[in-house]
Amino acid sequence: GEEVAQTPKHLVRGEGQKAKLYCAPIKGHSYVFWYQQVLKNEFKFLISFQNENVFDETGMPKERFSAKCLPNSPCSLEIQATKLEDSAVYFCASSRTRQGGINYGYTFGSGTRLTVV
Amino acid sequence: QQQVKQSPQSLIVQKGGIPIINCAYENTAFDYFPWYQQFPGKGPALLIAIRPDVSEKKEGRFTISFNKSAKQFSLHIMDSQPGDSATYFCAASIEEGGSNYKLTFGKGTLLTVNP
Repeated sequence: GEEVAQTPKHLVRGEGQKAKLYCAPIKGHSYVFWYQQVLKNEFKFLISFQNENVFDETGMPKERFSAKCLPNSPCSLEIQATKLEDSAVYFCASSRTRQGGINYGYTFGSGTRLTVV
Repeated sequence: QQQVKQSPQSLIVQKGGIPIINCAYENTAFDYFPWYQQFPGKGPALLIAIRPDVSEKKEGRFTISFNKSAKQFSLHIMDSQPGDSATYFCAASIEEGGSNYKLTFGKGTLLTVNP
């Protein structure tokens, strides 16, 4: 089906624990993006991939966050030593290869709600 | 620095009304402007998008108006329905040049359409 699948839907971690989130992009989409939505509304860009290569990681807090998109595996976002401020909904989106400068739009998953207690 | 400013924060209209949501951007390199609709517990869904070489685009009941000189764009929802009640986000990205593509979002507008 044409949907971006994110797992798990909810994740609860104690402060200092590790959290790992997964995203299966739409088959044939070559770009994957991770966004963090905090305070119900504000979206923060984290990282993007073109296939398995990091495309733009300017939003990643690198000291604790890491991400991968490996062939034939779901993409993953990992947070080491979670902090209370990491509580948010993490969205993954995928999009097709740009052809002729045309953007075909981004399809978002339903998100993973991370709660750090 | 907030690169895309969205207003109002919330909006209440009656069924059949025409809510208008406005966005202003600062970065003149932005060349793709989508609007997203988000229901509680769901991811944003693309509604309609426009490029700066067009001043207006219409898809069904949704219309984007774009003013390049003012660096502003807006979403109009014609004949609004209670099912349109959701949070609406404007966004912008840089497509030309192939080095970016990330979306910069506005802070969202919570729309309530009363029956």
